[in-house]
Amino acid sequence: AQTVTQSQPEMSVQEAETVTLSCTYDTSESDYYLFWYKQPPSRQMILVIRQEAYKQQNATENRFSVNFQKAAKSFSLKISDSQLGDAAMYFCAYRSAFNSGNQFYFGTGTSLTVIP
Amino acid sequence: EAGVTQFPSHSVIEKGQTVTLRCDPISGHDNLYWYRRVMGKEIKFLLHFVKESKQDESGMPNNRFLAERTGGTYSTLKVQPAELEDSGVYFCASSQDFGRGAFFGQGTRLTVV
Repeated sequence: AQTVTQSQPEMSVQEAETVTLSCTYDTSESDYYLFWYKQPPSRQMILVIRQEAYKQQNATENRFSVNFQKAAKSFSLKISDSQLGDAAMYFCAYRSAFNSGNQFYFGTGTSLTVIP
Repeated sequence: EAGVTQFPSHSVIEKGQTVTLRCDPISGHDNLYWYRRVMGKEIKFLLHFVKESKQDESGMPNNRFLAERTGGTYSTLKVQPAELEDSGVYFCASSQDFGRGAFFGQGTRLTVV
């Protein structure tokens, strides 16, 4: 079974600074998708960014970017110019690209605090 | 466009009682998922519907949990009888495009006392 590991239960960053959240995963599959979800205190999870494993180029969405290292099975999230609204729980998730493995596998989450 | 909605947002019940959680997915989404997060742990998969059919229910912890999706629209997750270890946040998600992420509801925080 696939596993997703987030080794940082809590992180903090100064407003306007940059922070990187780490995520590693374990899989024997060659094609899959990786996601970062954000869950603010209001509790609805929002998709932040996604990466397709067969694409070498790192995904970017405004201030959010990833460092995808397929060989190392690493998928870190970088948040640039951190804002107070970025404070949330962040979950890394894996999903197989094959129909037989359609569920998402999540890590335990990283709670991000943004310090004014 | 309405997102995924879940009812209730909170539920506190006594051990042995029954609770039914409801999820309304985004209209037109064939895929509907139930997940659960126990405090401090990862979000764990419970089951997956494609329309009204259960595609994968390998994550259902035991037969006290029953999920249904009538007519391929909304879904319910019933826990009967509830045990203390069932406490957690239950998330519902829906998706249509396989390769894109799923849309999650706000979750139902279930506390069994």
